[in-house]
Amino acid sequence: SQQGEEDPQALSIQEGENATMNCSYKTSINNLQWYRQNSGRGLVHLILIRSNEREKHSGRLRVTLDTSKKSSSLLITASRAADTASYFCAAAGNYGQNFVFGPGTRLSVLP
Amino acid sequence: DTGVSQDPRHKITKRGQNVTFRCDPISEHNRLYWYRQTLGQGPEFLTYFQNEAQLEKSRLLSDRFSAERPKGSFSTLEIQRTEQGDSAMYLCASSLAGLAGVYNEQFFGPGTRLTVL
Repeated sequence: SQQGEEDPQALSIQEGENATMNCSYKTSINNLQWYRQNSGRGLVHLILIRSNEREKHSGRLRVTLDTSKKSSSLLITASRAADTASYFCAAAGNYGQNFVFGPGTRLSVLP
Repeated sequence: DTGVSQDPRHKITKRGQNVTFRCDPISEHNRLYWYRQTLGQGPEFLTYFQNEAQLEKSRLLSDRFSAERPKGSFSTLEIQRTEQGDSAMYLCASSLAGLAGVYNEQFFGPGTRLTVL
């Protein structure tokens, strides 16, 4: 399977600091996506990066993709308390099928 | 609201009963996915459809689970003879698979929380 695996499993930072989360996967992918989930709520799509892209930005989010290392990172700059959530990466296979989610990174941003 | 909707939002049932969940995707999306999520874990892929065709099922999906998308629009997920281990959040997502290998982001519904007593 494409297997998304996030690292670290938990991260606690102060408001205003940057947060970096990493994701690794096992096989070739069509794209990789990052999602946020607040406790007890549904998943919110953050950003999609395609296999031929190396970096993508969206507001305070920056995602990188290294297909040679089969890894991706999500950087949240100038974090806010509202960024407190679980963050998941999902790797999509070559035909966009079978998104595999990792266990997530639980981010806590302290005021 | 043009997002993905799921019904019901909560379901409590007794062990051995059958339950059915419904998902209405974003109207122009041709792909529909079902996932299961337990506390503290990421979503676990169950199955997905492109239009009305069910293209892949997880090996984790036992024979008690069946999903349909009869007209390529809404989908149902049925669990027969429910077990306590089926208690989880069942998530539906939809996406648009385009031409030439362009696959796009999934949009998730709010989920159906199943509790099996």
